[in-house]
Amino acid sequence: GAVVSQHPSRVICKSGTSVKIECRSLDFQATTMFWYRQFPKQSLMLMATSNEGSKATYEQGVEKDKFLINHASLTLSTLTVTSAHPEDSSFYICSTKQGRRDTEAFFGQGTRLTVV
Amino acid sequence: GNSVTQMEGPVTLSEEAFLTINCTYTATGYPSLFWYVQYPGEGLQLLLKATKADDKGSNKGFEATYRKETTSFHLEKGSVQVSDSAVYFCALSDQGQNFVFGPGTRLSVLP
Repeated sequence: GAVVSQHPSRVICKSGTSVKIECRSLDFQATTMFWYRQFPKQSLMLMATSNEGSKATYEQGVEKDKFLINHASLTLSTLTVTSAHPEDSSFYICSTKQGRRDTEAFFGQGTRLTVV
Repeated sequence: GNSVTQMEGPVTLSEEAFLTINCTYTATGYPSLFWYVQYPGEGLQLLLKATKADDKGSNKGFEATYRKETTSFHLEKGSVQVSDSAVYFCALSDQGQNFVFGPGTRLSVLP
């Protein structure tokens, strides 16, 4: 099956700094990628939909200036958490799929962000 | 809008016990239904799926049947193992590309 590679798997940063998370589609060209956030013992919450070559679409309540998404190529999308705060500590996961509604979504390994 | 509801966890079972995790959904169209599994510290992996009514998805001893009349997609396994301990997410995908996930059910299997 398709592989989505997410990097880094874990990152610890200081408050006020920025962190970039990369999501790569290794097997196919992904015109759309999804970024999720998962709080401890909770489900995935969609943050934004990243479209290659255009602006990302953010879900209600997600600050687009804080969570910068770039999808410059068909195989790479990045999420940058700017001016990180401890409350941004979470598990971030990207995913993509090959188009049809009945196809599965492929997920990255996730990134555990801890802001100290 | 679309939504997925799962039974609340955590669920704790002894090895070789029978497992059922209930999942019901609300959708405007004819969604595809999925079960994903998340092991500690990892991303989600597809466990099984069903794309139309009465389809049965199965994998690794797990099964789920797409029941349109009850809008359900309950996950079952006849004999669980310790290695099945994980969080299980029911999800649907409608006409668009996005997924809607249930809250997840944590399963702990004791030896």
